[in-house]
Amino acid sequence: EDQVTQSPEALRLQEGESSSLNCSYTVSGLRGLFWYRQDPGKGPEFLFTLYSAGEEKEKERLKATLTKKESFLHITAPKPEDSATYLCAVQDNNDMRFGAGTRLTVKP
Amino acid sequence: GAVVSQHPSRVICKSGTSVKIECRSLDFQATTMFWYRQFPKQSLMLMATSNEGSKATYEQGVEKDKFLINHASLTLSTLTVTSAHPEDSSFYICSARGFRQNTEAFFGQGTRLTVV
Repeated sequence: EDQVTQSPEALRLQEGESSSLNCSYTVSGLRGLFWYRQDPGKGPEFLFTLYSAGEEKEKERLKATLTKKESFLHITAPKPEDSATYLCAVQDNNDMRFGAGTRLTVKP
Repeated sequence: GAVVSQHPSRVICKSGTSVKIECRSLDFQATTMFWYRQFPKQSLMLMATSNEGSKATYEQGVEKDKFLINHASLTLSTLTVTSAHPEDSSFYICSARGFRQNTEAFFGQGTRLTVV
């Protein structure tokens, strides 16, 4: 069965303090790995899709990378508005399964 | 990104009654829709996957007779919680994906269900 493990469970950063979130996965036939941001009481908001090892994507202060076993979401010089839960999901043939998420808090 | 509308955003119902939640893709055709349940401070738990015109595929442990899913068109899926009990209280979220299987899914706003 597919497994998605995210670490750390929670991360507290000072504004401007860069860091990385990890998503480890085991899946039979990866069709895509997705990163989402979720604010409390709302549905997840799509950030990135990665399809193959070595692929990287960037958006503002966020950069996502992918290897054959894990993905990283790098946050450069975060701001308080980056505080949210970041979820990664993997897709095999049809299902999309999520990790437990990393709750990021950025303090001013 | 594509827009997925979920309705209602909040609902309170009495034990024993049924509640229907709608999920609509507004600007694309959703060949696949996913229904998730999320408990506080936990991740999304996949309940079922439905492809348009087919019966939904339920995850192990999800009662198909209790959580009725209908995906009758390319823009609408519904989840009906039948004979609701307080333990069914949760945050339910739908997502929709177009015909290409390896593309991202877009999420609705979620529905907070409280059964009293």
